[in-house]
Amino acid sequence: IAGITQAPTSQILAAGRRMTLRCTQDMRHNAMYWYRQDLGLGLRLIHYSNTAGTTGKGEVPDGYSVSRANTDDFPLTLASAVPSQTSVYFCASSDGATQYFGPGTRLTVL
Amino acid sequence: AQSVTQLGSHVSVSEGALVLLRCNYSSSVPPYLFWYVQYPNQGLQLLLKYTTGATLVKGINGFEAEFKKSETSFHLTKPSAHMSDAAEYFCAVSDGGATNKLIFGTGTLLAVQP
Repeated sequence: IAGITQAPTSQILAAGRRMTLRCTQDMRHNAMYWYRQDLGLGLRLIHYSNTAGTTGKGEVPDGYSVSRANTDDFPLTLASAVPSQTSVYFCASSDGATQYFGPGTRLTVL
Repeated sequence: AQSVTQLGSHVSVSEGALVLLRCNYSSSVPPYLFWYVQYPNQGLQLLLKYTTGATLVKGINGFEAEFKKSETSFHLTKPSAHMSDAAEYFCAVSDGGATNKLIFGTGTLLAVQP
């Protein structure tokens, strides 16, 4: 059982470029989430999706967009990356009681 | 609104000593409480959770936590630290609603000295 996979593992990106972080789960969970982790700030919710076809904004949504075309995939897009989006990004899915996390994507925006 | 405070961003203990990581929460509804562990360059792994029922919750790797409503606390303990316990620990709260959004504390980095 793979659980949650994220791609790429890491990426260096020039400011202004568009980037999509991929997230796929094989647990058939309805809810999925994107967090960013920054030193001293813990994890902060960017966007979430309660079920396929619906999305919602979290605590820090500006500069990010998501889509949920099906149950398994929940990509996160940075339309025009800025250095402040340098972070580690985690995708998670939930069975309704517990969130399960992917291994993360380390993104550096120069 | 919900919030989580973890006292002590860094905690150092000797191998074999008691581990105590503090977590206090704020919630206007009965909370669901979680502890996650993150090893270097890895994702978060669930240690234990409290939803309802027994207030003393046992998790993996010998950790446990007690929900104390009167103190709005959910401290994590382990009687005897092991070198492999060195990691970052995050406390989190949710309202258990349909969205089940988690609010995380800022984390506590646990160092275990030989």
